[in-house]
Amino acid sequence: GEDVEQSLFLSVREGDSSVINCTYTDSSSTYLYWYKQEPGAGLQLLTYIFSNMDMKQDQRLTVLLNKKDKHLSLRIADTQTGDSAIYFCAESRNSGYSTLTFGKGTMLLVSP
Amino acid sequence: DVKVTQSSRYLVKRTGEKVFLECVQDMDHENMFWYRQDPGLGLRLIYFSYDVKMKEKGDIPEGYSVSREKKERFSLILESASTNQTSMYLCASRTGVGSTEAFFGQGTRLTVV
Repeated sequence: GEDVEQSLFLSVREGDSSVINCTYTDSSSTYLYWYKQEPGAGLQLLTYIFSNMDMKQDQRLTVLLNKKDKHLSLRIADTQTGDSAIYFCAESRNSGYSTLTFGKGTMLLVSP
Repeated sequence: DVKVTQSSRYLVKRTGEKVFLECVQDMDHENMFWYRQDPGLGLRLIYFSYDVKMKEKGDIPEGYSVSREKKERFSLILESASTNQTSMYLCASRTGVGSTEAFFGQGTRLTVV
């Protein structure tokens, strides 16, 4: 079945860039997502990318997709303490009945 | 503002009790999902529904059932709660074909004692 892998923990200093990596196995994946979960809250969509794109930029966020290697990354520029959260990578197919498959989440800790 | 509402933020139940977790969305979405979230395991899909009265098993359906009598409401049922069902439960919804974002509720932290 589908599998999504990501590292479990990342620690950076405020003002640095953060890069969170993700790999997936399903070559039929059409949409790839990054969700953010703050403590005690549900998941909030940060950004997503279609599988026919290589890059997407949205303010401080840059998503890079290497479809050949099935590798997705999220770069957060000028990381702030408010960015401390768990970040989930997810994938789904282009189907009305498709589910989202999530990675285990990467806990990002930003220190002052 | 889109909304997925879970009826309880925190629940404490006894082993063997029948437990109902309710989820309501106001976006007229076809698809609804129940996940559980555990440390180090991420989100695992329990059940999903793509239409009223339709349901499909996810990756870990054992010990759970669901009900979707109305489009806006998707209920997760623990027939006989056990301590290994202590977890955070997250409900989500999204539209059908061509959909992108899934919207999540705030989660229900269930403790079974």
